[in-house]
Amino acid sequence: EAGVAQSPRYKIIEKRQSVAFWCNPISGHATLYWYQQILGQGPKLLIQFQNNGVVDDSQLPKDRFSAERLKGVDSTLKIQPAKLEDSAVYLCASRDRDYSPLHFGNGTRLTVT
Amino acid sequence: GDSVTQMEGPVTLSEEAFLTINCTYTATGYPSLFWYVQYPGEGLQLLLKATKADDKGSNKGFEATYRKETTSFHLEKGSVQVSDSAVYFCAQHTNAGKSTFGDGTTLTVKP
Repeated sequence: EAGVAQSPRYKIIEKRQSVAFWCNPISGHATLYWYQQILGQGPKLLIQFQNNGVVDDSQLPKDRFSAERLKGVDSTLKIQPAKLEDSAVYLCASRDRDYSPLHFGNGTRLTVT
Repeated sequence: GDSVTQMEGPVTLSEEAFLTINCTYTATGYPSLFWYVQYPGEGLQLLLKATKADDKGSNKGFEATYRKETTSFHLEKGSVQVSDSAVYFCAQHTNAGKSTFGDGTTLTVKP
């Protein structure tokens, strides 16, 4: 099966600019996640979707981050405006049911200067 | 709240050495436990899993046993190879699709 696809792989922007990341999960996976992974730390959940509905966005900085999952398939994560502390790898993951393993994309490495 | 604590790294070993990476968890329910591995430039991928107490997960020579009494899921391998150099993450998955990760342990294996 095709894996989780993410783009772009790398992005460099200046602070206060905006950026968007795209994710296409494994076909048939109803649950989709966006994680932020800061260097030297484990992934931290930003938002969890079940189909096209939000299950958990309690850790999403909603004043600058937004995410959507139209039609319950692809998803986009946006940051506007970016801050220096947003420099991290943004990982998308999907799974087909609770307790099953997560399938991760290769991530987008964001550098904010 | 739910949390996962891994031994701090980095860990540097010689080829064929024995590996242990400690992992403990706190959870309000009955989680499934996982080890994920992240090779340079790649995303996390599943290494092994255990879904209930006393289960042993194994893959590629790695093993981990779900110990409910000590809330632990330590990763072991009897003889590491250079190709095992990566970052290893312990994680728990609970109900409603919630997942919590440790901060990762970087393993470097030298020839």
